[in-house]
Amino acid sequence: KNEVEQSPQNLTAQEGEFITINCSYSVGISALHWLQQHPGGGIVSLFMLSSGKKKHGRLIATINIQEKHSSLHITASHPRDSAVYICAVRSAGNQFYFGTGTSLTVIP
Amino acid sequence: DAGITQSPRYKITETGRQVTLMCHQTWSHSYMFWYRQDLGHGLRLIYYSAAADITDKGEVPDGYVVSRSKTENFPLTLESATRSQTSVYFCASSEVGVFEQFFGPGTRLTVL
Repeated sequence: KNEVEQSPQNLTAQEGEFITINCSYSVGISALHWLQQHPGGGIVSLFMLSSGKKKHGRLIATINIQEKHSSLHITASHPRDSAVYICAVRSAGNQFYFGTGTSLTVIP
Repeated sequence: DAGITQSPRYKITETGRQVTLMCHQTWSHSYMFWYRQDLGHGLRLIYYSAAADITDKGEVPDGYVVSRSKTENFPLTLESATRSQTSVYFCASSEVGVFEQFFGPGTRLTVL
């Protein structure tokens, strides 16, 4: 069983659609990290959260510590948003756990 | 150039050979990490280091050796490569007390 579960595993959207990717975790955490992996393989950091909500451009990340759940939203999606989105957590015991990723394809 | 680099980017080797993957960062981050990424598993931590000369095992350390004599370098050695170690390997670094990690471009390793 994975400590971090993401849904959906795969997602196809039309350009302009609002997208939500979900992350649920089973351990107590000190922080949660959303990452983006480009088709070429590079991994970049999007957000780091320990509470509440963060926004950067068209991306919004929220976390509910009580429900052990985080969401990544993309507004007005664009083909360049096509990538794999990875949720990662650092547990209270300083262990690191990664979800298997959500593969997003945005069609023009 | 500033950042985190990995070499080689691609490597093909044979079962039983020793292979070393290099990781170099220019930020003077205290923490460095090695992950492997396989289909269906996501990123899995192999080893990490909190500082020079301090290393610790992650989730999947068997078959791997690390060292960290200098803050900026964190090589990963496969002492006797096996086919199950065919994977994409990512190095990452972070500052002390900060969870946010910065990833290298990855090394695609194939063991024949």
